[in-house]
Amino acid sequence: AQKITQTQPGMFVQEKEAVTLDCTYDTSDPSYGLFWYKQPSSGEMIFLIYQGSYDQQNATEGRYSLNFQKARKSANLVISASQLGDSAMYFCAMREGTGNQFYFGTGTSLTVIP
Amino acid sequence: DAGVTQSPTHLIKTRGQQVTLRCSPKSGHDTVSWYQQALGQGPQFIFQYYEEEERQRGNFPDRFSGHQFPNYSSELNVNALLLGDSALYLCASGWWGNQPQHFGDGTRLSIL
Repeated sequence: AQKITQTQPGMFVQEKEAVTLDCTYDTSDPSYGLFWYKQPSSGEMIFLIYQGSYDQQNATEGRYSLNFQKARKSANLVISASQLGDSAMYFCAMREGTGNQFYFGTGTSLTVIP
Repeated sequence: DAGVTQSPTHLIKTRGQQVTLRCSPKSGHDTVSWYQQALGQGPQFIFQYYEEEERQRGNFPDRFSGHQFPNYSSELNVNALLLGDSALYLCASGWWGNQPQHFGDGTRLSIL
């Protein structure tokens, strides 16, 4: 089974609108971390936000927030007030327990329309 | 404060050749991980180095090997290159047991 599933290959959003990128995960380890990265066409992976499995509150970082629903095993990224510079690939990733391997999804391509 | 730096940025090789990619971690980081990202896919974990030892390995053949130096920098070596090795190779650094990992810009390897 896939550790990380991103079911939206491509998404479009109007500038200044909010958008939600979906991510579901699969693990039996009670301790894990969930991450979102942004990858522009240049190739660099930019860390956006982190959520720990024991965190009680949803993580927020500026315009990014993570909608963490533990029972559903989902960790959706919400980008508020989209900007043209948000156009990129977005990857959800997970790290299990004490392991250092990151499992990545297949990504969602976000296009912000002026 | 320099982030993760990788060299070279682009590389073209032919089948059967060998290649070495290099990575300098972000200042203060002691672990280095390597990932392979094929076109249109998410990164796949190759292995991680900490204290100059390979600590964890993904599902990659022995043709993929690495090294970590005392200054925490790292090399990824790939022998007997195959067409399927064409990909973006990403290096990520962090602190052992901590998160998140910070990535470099990658080395784009093309095999002809």
